[in-house]
Amino acid sequence: DGGITQSPKYLFRKEGQNVTLSCEQNLNHDAMYWYRQDPGQGLRLIYYSQIVNDFQKGDIAEGYSVSREKKESFPLTVTSAQKNPTAFYLCASSAGQHSNQPQHFGDGTRLSIL
Amino acid sequence: GDSVTQMEGPVTLSEEAFLTINCTYTATGYPSLFWYVQYPGEGLQLLLKATKADDKGSNKGFEATYRKETTSFHLEKGSVQVSDSAVYFCALRSASGGSYIPTFGRGTSLIVHP
Repeated sequence: DGGITQSPKYLFRKEGQNVTLSCEQNLNHDAMYWYRQDPGQGLRLIYYSQIVNDFQKGDIAEGYSVSREKKESFPLTVTSAQKNPTAFYLCASSAGQHSNQPQHFGDGTRLSIL
Repeated sequence: GDSVTQMEGPVTLSEEAFLTINCTYTATGYPSLFWYVQYPGEGLQLLLKATKADDKGSNKGFEATYRKETTSFHLEKGSVQVSDSAVYFCALRSASGGSYIPTFGRGTSLIVHP
């Protein structure tokens, strides 16, 4: 079945450490997105990519970095510059710039500080 | 810019009660509208969508009608079940500024008691 796979499901970060969250999709979607979700809060956009080798900052990009070297993959790195990284991170994809296309979401990665 | 406003939660109902979750939006042009559902510890799943005025999206007993005159897309279900307990997100996509980046509401938590 086609879908989005996020790994790991749980991740712990030490002070001063960078960690990378994986997101892979086999839906042949052009666009991919990273969101942060805090308890009781909505989704906040971190980064998005609408085509391979190109990505744009979202609303809260500071302290995060991404790459899009392959259509299927959009990893997110949480750097040590992100001082409050504890949150639930969601990856999504959609079939490009067509407004009537919904997003497909992974099951998320929960990041905590050790 | 685009925005989505949902009613504050949590919404608490008894099983078999009628559900309405209000959603209103502000957008340029003609957005597509979506409802997503998020169960605890999971990502979002598309529940239903509507792409033009007066369209009715429906799925699993849930319905929502795209009302352009009132800029609304309220979610309804005639008889809720305990298994419907989740967080519901209203969202839109439009060509605002040439981008189709989705805009989400803050989510409404639904709790259904037996």
